[in-house]
Amino acid sequence: NAGVTQTPKFQVLKTGQSMTLQCAQDMNHEYMSWYRQDPGMGLRLIHYSVGAGITDQGEVPNGYNVSRSTTEDFPLRLLSAAPSQTSVYFCASSYSFGFPGELFFGEGSRLTVL
Amino acid sequence: SQQGEEDPQALSIQEGENATMNCSYKTSINNLQWYRQNSGRGLVHLILIRSNEREKHSGRLRVTLDTSKKSSSLLITASRAADTASYFCATAPRNAGNNRKLIWGLGTSLAVNP
Repeated sequence: NAGVTQTPKFQVLKTGQSMTLQCAQDMNHEYMSWYRQDPGMGLRLIHYSVGAGITDQGEVPNGYNVSRSTTEDFPLRLLSAAPSQTSVYFCASSYSFGFPGELFFGEGSRLTVL
Repeated sequence: SQQGEEDPQALSIQEGENATMNCSYKTSINNLQWYRQNSGRGLVHLILIRSNEREKHSGRLRVTLDTSKKSSSLLITASRAADTASYFCATAPRNAGNNRKLIWGLGTSLAVNP
């Protein structure tokens, strides 16, 4: 069981470039989400999905797009990278319905925008 | 704003000692969760405690929840160097509806010295 897999682990971008962070889970979880983690700011929710074809915004959605065409995959797209998007990004999934239950996290993608 | 607030922000103890960290929150919750994050890694779920529970154990971990004081504590007994990590609490607000958003604290950094 691979759990939650994120790629790439590290990425350096120039301002204005676009890229996609990939996230895949093999646990048949309906709920998937993207967080960013910054020093002193804790974890902040970017976007989340409660099932294929359903996505919604979190706390800090600006500059990011998501889609959920399958249960397994939940890619995060940076449309035009900015230095403020330098961060560590985590994908997390959960099998719980209703109130949030245990989240399973990927190992993170460290993004630097120059 | 972060609902969960852990204290202390940092804790340094010797191997074999117990470590206690606290989490306070502001609104009514359905559940409260504790996670561990080793340096450079993803978060790992430790324990989920529901609002109608007062105490929960898992191995060397003991979590208590006091809903009247809106606070929780995580006790790690007989600590080991491998327990060195950051510990986060996350709350599932009762009135969050079906959006399944967790509210995260900023974490307690625990150092266990051999």
